[in-house]
Amino acid sequence: DGGITQSPKYLFRKEGQNVTLSCEQNLNHDAMYWYRQDPGQGLRLIYYSQIVNDFQKGDIAEGYSVSREKKESFPLTVTSAQKNPTAFYLCASSFLGGGTDTQYFGPGTRLTVL
Amino acid sequence: AQSVAQPEDQVNVAEGNPLTVKCTYSVSGNPYLFWYVQYPNRGLQFLLKYITGDNLVKGSYGFEAEFNKSQTSFHLKKPSALVSDSALYFCAVRVFYGGATNKLIFGTGTLLAVQP
Repeated sequence: DGGITQSPKYLFRKEGQNVTLSCEQNLNHDAMYWYRQDPGQGLRLIYYSQIVNDFQKGDIAEGYSVSREKKESFPLTVTSAQKNPTAFYLCASSFLGGGTDTQYFGPGTRLTVL
Repeated sequence: AQSVAQPEDQVNVAEGNPLTVKCTYSVSGNPYLFWYVQYPNRGLQFLLKYITGDNLVKGSYGFEAEFNKSQTSFHLKKPSALVSDSALYFCAVRVFYGGATNKLIFGTGTLLAVQP
C-alpha cells in the first residue's frame, strides 16, 4: 500500500447523492486506475489515466466520473446515476511501458449506500 | 476473448504443507502475468510477475509461480504454508490496447485457508 493513499476508508452515501473518493500517489507514476471490487467478481476497471488531463473509460464507467488535473491525484466521483454503488473501490498506479509497469494498489475505500 | 480463470473459490491446506493456487489464462500474444494477495479490508499487494525468461518466478514471502505456455497456466506455489498466508489471492493478465496502455484483467480470486 505504501505510496498510494485513499480517503476516506469508509464512506456512507444516501441515495441521490454524489460522492468523491480521493486517491493520491507519491511514486511519480504516470498512470492511475480505479477498480471496483464486488464479492466473487474480482476487480473490474472503471477508469484509467496515462497522463495529466487525459483519461479513458474502463469496462464499467457508467455512473462514474474522474479528473486528472495533477500527476499525483486521480479522484473518482460516484454519481447518483450509478445504480448499485455499494462496493470496495481500489485505486492503483504504475509506470508505463516495459517491465516496470506493475500496478500498485492503495488501501481502498468501502462505499455503502444507505 | 481475453480472460483469466481461477477454478477454485477456496483452497484449504495444513500449516507446513505445500500449497498451490491455480490460474489459467487466455490471451492473444505473449502474456504478462501477475499474482496479488489481499488481506481483509485491505488493498492488493503485489507478489510476483512473469514477463519473459525463466518459467519459474520467485516473489515475495516465499511464493513462486510456474509459467506453463502449453497449458496456459500460471499456478502460484509455496513449499511450506503458514497460517499468516491465509488471504484472498488474485491472478491477473495484462492486455494491450495500443501504445503503452496497461490494463489488467483479474480472475475472481481464490481464498486460501491455512489451518494450524
